[in-house]
Amino acid sequence: AQSVTQLDSHVSVSEGTPVLLRCNYSSSYSPSLFWYVQHPNKGLQLLLKYTSAATLVKGINGFEAEFKKSETSFHLTKPSAHMSDAAEYFCVVSESPGGGADGLTFGKGTHLIIQP
Amino acid sequence: GAVVSQHPSWVICKSGTSVKIECRSLDFQATTMFWYRQFPKQSLMLMATSNEGSKATYEQGVEKDKFLINHASLTLSTLTVTSAHPEDSSFYICSARDTRDILGDTQYFGPGTRLTVL
Repeated sequence: AQSVTQLDSHVSVSEGTPVLLRCNYSSSYSPSLFWYVQHPNKGLQLLLKYTSAATLVKGINGFEAEFKKSETSFHLTKPSAHMSDAAEYFCVVSESPGGGADGLTFGKGTHLIIQP
Repeated sequence: GAVVSQHPSWVICKSGTSVKIECRSLDFQATTMFWYRQFPKQSLMLMATSNEGSKATYEQGVEKDKFLINHASLTLSTLTVTSAHPEDSSFYICSARDTRDILGDTQYFGPGTRLTVL
């Protein structure tokens, strides 16, 4: 069985400061891991994904995440927050070979607030 | 690339009526599409997996007779909420997997449909 824990329900940072959104997972197999972003009343946009290649994954809009197997973590970071980054972020894990069919498990989400 | 659309983006209906939501992959073919439900300030919950040309697979606790899913082509899946009630009010999101994606790696999500049942 797989599960995802997003450690913070809300994160507030000032514009221009670093962002850290924490995610821990559990999986019986080598998982695929994803971060999605959801702006208000919108669908989900894929930020980045890890599928057993490089452990440091670069995504869109300056975000990146590092897969740490020993810590079962996949934290999302960005060096400098922008006002447009304010949104809900979901960490997602899949045990399916490609994360496609029936294997997606969503974290509960982290609401990122950007202070001007 | 990999754009998924949903129609309508929002709908208001009376209790007891049926509502159809369309999910289309615009620039790729999708053998498999997925339907999720999201309550306010909560995460997404998978309702069903829709496979082109076959019956949908529903998650435990989801009434298949209430949430009818049809995946008639490689670019279109529909979700019909039958005899809708206020408790069916929610944000419905679909996603699709590109058939060319050998790893089956990624789901591309639609913008969602806000359903309000009066």
